[in-house]
Amino acid sequence: AQSVAQPEDQVNVAEGNPLTVKCTYSVSGNPYLFWYVQYPNRGLQFLLKYITGDNLVKGSYGFEAEFNKSQTSFHLKKPSALVSDSALYFCAVTAGTASKLTFGTGTRLQVTL
Amino acid sequence: SAVISQKPSRDICQRGTSLTIQCQVDSQVTMMFWYRQQPGQSLTLIATANQGSEATYESGFVIDKFPISRPNLTFSTLTVSNMSPEDSSIYLCSLAVSQETQYFGPGTRLLVL
Repeated sequence: AQSVAQPEDQVNVAEGNPLTVKCTYSVSGNPYLFWYVQYPNRGLQFLLKYITGDNLVKGSYGFEAEFNKSQTSFHLKKPSALVSDSALYFCAVTAGTASKLTFGTGTRLQVTL
Repeated sequence: SAVISQKPSRDICQRGTSLTIQCQVDSQVTMMFWYRQQPGQSLTLIATANQGSEATYESGFVIDKFPISRPNLTFSTLTVSNMSPEDSSIYLCSLAVSQETQYFGPGTRLLVL
């Protein structure tokens, strides 16, 4: 069975500071990893994905994520946080089939002035 | 990327009634899915909506409670039947435009009184 852990319910960051939202995963076979963001009263928006290749992937809104196979992690990062980045972030994993996407419990990012 | 719309965007319903949620995509897609996001929770896959055949339900979800239709490659409906307050959730449809990546609709916010 595949699973995703997001160990932090909430991450608080001051605007302009770097942010990291943590994600670890467990899956049989090669993982396909995703980050989605959910703004208040909105659906999920796709941010970025890792399928293969370069371990550092870049996505929308200046976000990036680093795949670390040895640590089975896929942490989301941004060099300089914005107040508008405040939202709920979900990490997800599949072993290669879109129909078996497993989500983490979500991390609420709060960016303050 | 495909444009996904859902109707209604939100509704308040009485227990014992049923609500049908529509998901419309602006292009033909093979794989469509329905998810539930209970308050403060992550996303849980309800079923895969198969075009021209019965939906494939995940463990814990049954067709009598969540009947799904998929009459063509651009449209699907999810019905929440005989509702109770425990059915209060956000219901999201998604589609896979590639083998591994899902994109989500804006969601339907359901409150059952």
